[in-house]
Amino acid sequence: NAGVTQTPKFRILKIGQSMTLQCTQDMNHNYMYWYRQDPGMGLKLIYYSVGAGITDKGEVPNGYNVSRSTTEDFPLRLELAAPSQTSVYFCATGQSYNEQFFGPGTRLTVL
Amino acid sequence: AQSVTQLGSHVSVSEGALVLLRCNYSSSVPPYLFWYVQYPNQGLQLLLKYTTGATLVKGINGFEAEFKKSETSFHLTKPSAHMSDAAEYFCAVSDRRPGNNDMRFGAGTRLTVKP
Repeated sequence: NAGVTQTPKFRILKIGQSMTLQCTQDMNHNYMYWYRQDPGMGLKLIYYSVGAGITDKGEVPNGYNVSRSTTEDFPLRLELAAPSQTSVYFCATGQSYNEQFFGPGTRLTVL
Repeated sequence: AQSVTQLGSHVSVSEGALVLLRCNYSSSVPPYLFWYVQYPNQGLQLLLKYTTGATLVKGINGFEAEFKKSETSFHLTKPSAHMSDAAEYFCAVSDRRPGNNDMRFGAGTRLTVKP
């Protein structure tokens, strides 16, 4: 039981490049979340999903896209990377208003 | 929308001393409240949560927190700090409405434990 896994662990992008951050869970949770963590800012919700085929915007969705074709996977897409997207990205799963379970994070630098 | 404020971005204590990390929340409905801990280069891990019932909640690693509605607070305490407690701690709030998916996190408090 791996819980929540994220790949890659680290990535450096050039401005304008695109990439997909992968998130997979084996907890059979319906809800999945993407957060970004910036120093001194806590976590900000980017997108979330309440089940396969259903996604919705969080607090800071601009510059990102998501899809949810299966219960297990919730990839986050950056289409045109910008320096402002330099951050640590966390995927989490859970059940609605209750506790969330976090992956180990992806550290992204955009230069 | 709900929010949390963590008072003090850095707290330093001596090993064996009391740990007190402060969290105040704002919510228009009765909240669910959480404390998470983050060790370096890791994801967040749940320490404890308040949902309903007893307002004094005990968590892992000897931590506890008390929900005080009158003070809109959920402060985290531990009687005796250990070196291994050095980490960043996040308070979070979500409301109880079915289908709500909006958990808001505080900015975090970095705890340093001095030998």
